[in-house]
Amino acid sequence: EAGVVQSPRYKIIEKKQPVAFWCNPISGHNTLYWYLQNLGQGPELLIRYENEEAVDDSQLPKDRFSAERLKGVDSTLKIQPAELGDSAVYLCASSLTSGGPGELFFGEGSRLTVL
Amino acid sequence: GQQVMQIPQYQHVQEGEDFTTYCNSSTTLSNIQWYKQRPGGHPVFLIQLVKSGEVKKQKRLTFQFGEAKKNSSLHITATQTTDVGTYFCAESYGNKLVFGAGTILRVKS
Repeated sequence: EAGVVQSPRYKIIEKKQPVAFWCNPISGHNTLYWYLQNLGQGPELLIRYENEEAVDDSQLPKDRFSAERLKGVDSTLKIQPAELGDSAVYLCASSLTSGGPGELFFGEGSRLTVL
Repeated sequence: GQQVMQIPQYQHVQEGEDFTTYCNSSTTLSNIQWYKQRPGGHPVFLIQLVKSGEVKKQKRLTFQFGEAKKNSSLHITATQTTDVGTYFCAESYGNKLVFGAGTILRVKS
């Protein structure tokens, strides 16, 4: 069974440019998460979806970040415009349980470098 | 911000030595999860602890949940080079999972 798939794995852009990340969760997993991980730190939640509904986006910087999960499967995370401080790894995860976190399955991550 | 504190931040051990990382919270935890992230990799789920005083073992790894459900530990017996990586605890905070900063383990062979 395929795991969580993310693309691109690496992205280098100049500041003020837009960037988008894509995630395909494990089949049947209704809950999808986007986490941000800075070097030497633990993952920090940006947004959590239950099917197509964003149930927790309190940590998402909405002035420049947006996310969608239109059909309750794939999801995209967009940054526009990117800033130097956005350089990090963006991790997508999915889980089978709803109403509370069970085991999270993470993708390989998308490493963003903003120059 | 993160709710759980992990110590130590970093540990370098000789192969064969034991290793322990601790996770502490100021509030009572409903449950706690542990993840391992290899260098350059992504976090991988190890275990979830739910009950007060719970102890679970996975081969050389022993996980404990404190009686007051405010702390947890991961102990590795006789470390191997394959154990290198960062070990994260994560607590359920509301309906989301909040990760600690992790403990980096390096093993000298």
